[in-house]
Amino acid sequence: GQSLEQPSEVTAVEGAIVQINCTYQTSGFYGLSWYQQHDGGAPTFLSYNALDGLEETGRFSSFLSRSDSYGYLLLQELQMKDSASYFCAVSPSGGYNKLIFGAGTRLAVHP
Amino acid sequence: GAVVSQHPSWVICKSGTSVKIECRSLDFQATTMFWYRQFPKQSLMLMATSNEGSKATYEQGVEKDKFLINHASLTLSTLTVTSAHPEDSSFYICSARDPPAGDEQYFGPGTRLTVT
Repeated sequence: GQSLEQPSEVTAVEGAIVQINCTYQTSGFYGLSWYQQHDGGAPTFLSYNALDGLEETGRFSSFLSRSDSYGYLLLQELQMKDSASYFCAVSPSGGYNKLIFGAGTRLAVHP
Repeated sequence: GAVVSQHPSWVICKSGTSVKIECRSLDFQATTMFWYRQFPKQSLMLMATSNEGSKATYEQGVEKDKFLINHASLTLSTLTVTSAHPEDSSFYICSARDPPAGDEQYFGPGTRLTVT
């Protein structure tokens, strides 16, 4: 099976930088994804790491280390609208590209 | 980007009745769709993988006779919650991939089911 761990809550101020860590246990997987979900809304895709290293997309970056079974999402220049839940998810091998989600991290951005 | 719709967006039903939720890929064909359930302030739990033209693959612990999935076309998958009970009240979300567009999964807006 698969299991993912991420912090339950993170608090930061506008303009700051926040890193949300994700550690996982899985017998095999294609990659690690990150999704954002605002309350009452659908998850939206942020990034995907299939290979080790850093992927940068605007203010958001994501990192993966397969040898450490670890990844993180880095949010820079935080804005109030970034207050949401952030989920890491693995795509297990042999799983038709299905996603297994972590418990999620609630990010609260304050003025 | 690709768009996935769900209908209805919310539904209230009485205990013991069945409810059907539709998931449509609007501008792409999806041979595979996924159904998730999410309780308040919790994560998305994968329920099943819906495959066009074949039986769905259910995750461990999900009752296939209670959550009937039909994927009759490349743009439509349906989830029927049979004999619904109050504990089935949840947010049901579907998703699909558009492979030419990359690794992203596109999620529908979700359906809020309340069983009274």
